Amino acid sequence: DAGVTQSPTHLIKTRGQQVTLRCSPISGHKSVSWYQQVLGQGPQFIFQYYEKEERGRGNFPDRFSARQFPNYSSELNVNALLLGDSALYLCASRLGQETQYFGPGTRLLVL
Amino acid sequence: AQSVTQLGSHVSVSEGALVLLRCNYSSSVPPYLFWYVQYPNQGLQLLLKYTSAATLVKGINGFEAEFKKSETSFHLTKPSAHMRDAAEYFCAVSDPVQGAQKLVFGQGTRLTINP
Repeated sequence: DAGVTQSPTHLIKTRGQQVTLRCSPISGHKSVSWYQQVLGQGPQFIFQYYEKEERGRGNFPDRFSARQFPNYSSELNVNALLLGDSALYLCASRLGQETQYFGPGTRLLVL
Repeated sequence: AQSVTQLGSHVSVSEGALVLLRCNYSSSVPPYLFWYVQYPNQGLQLLLKYTSAATLVKGINGFEAEFKKSETSFHLTKPSAHMRDAAEYFCAVSDPVQGAQKLVFGQGTRLTINP
């Protein structure tokens, strides 16, 4: 079975631009979460979606938004990019209440 | 609020030696606890998890961890290190009461294996 997939793998943007990152969960998983991992730190929770509804939000500004589609795939949008948004963005999917399975991530560089 | 502290940002051991990576957590409710491994330029791979069953948890690649409530610890061990174990290791906690919506991660420990 395919794991969590994310696209693109790498992305370079300039300050002020907008970016959309995509995630496809493991087949049958209805919950998707997004995390930001800045270099040298642990991942930080951004959003969780379940059955297309937002179920949790981390301490991130309103420039960050997300949505989940009927096929349970998800997009993370970041507007008005700042240099500090440069990070590895990880998507995780979950079937039950316990374990989140992570994708390979999208590495975003903001210049 | 939940939090995780990983003691030691870098740990270096010789091949064949014991690996011990330390993790202490803070949680107002009985937590779920996880260890993930991250190889260079990759995502996170689950090593093992504690979800209120047996306190000694065995994972993949020969790793295990013991949940000690009295010490609020969940240290990761492996009896004999291999070169392939060199990676970044993250301890994480979640709140099962809130449906484990989010994972709270520690800062990570970079494990280096010396030949």
